Amino acid sequence: DIRMTQSPASLSASLGETVNIECLASEDIYSDLAWYQQKPGKSPQLLIYNANSLQNGVPSRFSGSGSGTQYSLKINSLQSEDVATYFCQQYNNYPPTFGGGTKLELK
Amino acid sequence: QVQLKETGPDLVQLTQTLSITCTVSGFSLTTYNVHWVRQPPGKGLEWMGAMWNGGGTDYNSAFKSRLSISRDTSKSQVFLKMNSLQTDDTAKYFCARLNWERDYFDYWGQGVMVTVSS
Repeated sequence: DIRMTQSPASLSASLGETVNIECLASEDIYSDLAWYQQKPGKSPQLLIYNANSLQNGVPSRFSGSGSGTQYSLKINSLQSEDVATYFCQQYNNYPPTFGGGTKLELK
Repeated sequence: QVQLKETGPDLVQLTQTLSITCTVSGFSLTTYNVHWVRQPPGKGLEWMGAMWNGGGTDYNSAFKSRLSISRDTSKSQVFLKMNSLQTDDTAKYFCARLNWERDYFDYWGQGVMVTVSS
C-alpha cells in the first residue's frame, strides 16, 4: 500500500495568513491526489482533485500543487470558516490511502 | 441532488456483527461506484471496500474475511456487514461516491458513529 505522510499534524494560524500543508507519498502517484476538508462532526468535503484542480464551489483561496511524491495544499487569506482538519488521499493505486490529517486552528 | 445517507446501530456488542445501510439518491448505483471508509474517534480515514457499478466488490485486506459489501439497486442501497467486531472497530462509518472519471470521493454521507461495547 502507498503510505501518505502529512505535515504538520497540527497548525495554528491567524486570520488573513497564508497556510501550507504538505503531503508526501511513499512512491510516485502521478498527481493522482485529492484534498479534503473535514469540519468537526461532519463528513469530509472534496476541495482539490488531480493535485491542482479546484472542485466546483470551493473558494479560490484554496489551491493545490505538486508532482511525483510531494504535494501541497495552500490556503490564502485564512478565514474563520477554514478551521478544520485537512486530509490528502492518493488514488493512483489500490487501496486508496489517506494522510493522517492536519488540524488547522486559529491563533 | 446527490445524497448518501448511512443508517445503522449506535452500539454493537463485542464479537457481534455490524450492519449498515447506505441509501443514495440523485444517481444510480449501476453508473457510479460507492465505497466505505471509516474513521476512529480523533483519527484518520481508512478505506474499507468498494461496491462497483457492475456489481463486483473489493475489500481492504486489513479486514480479511470479516467484511462483506452488497447492494440492492432497486432500492438504491449499499450494505456493509462486518463480523467479529472488536473495540478497535469503534469508528464513524461513511459511504462515499467515487467520481466517475477518477478514483477520488466527490460526495460523502454524514456517517454513522458505531461504538463496540464489551
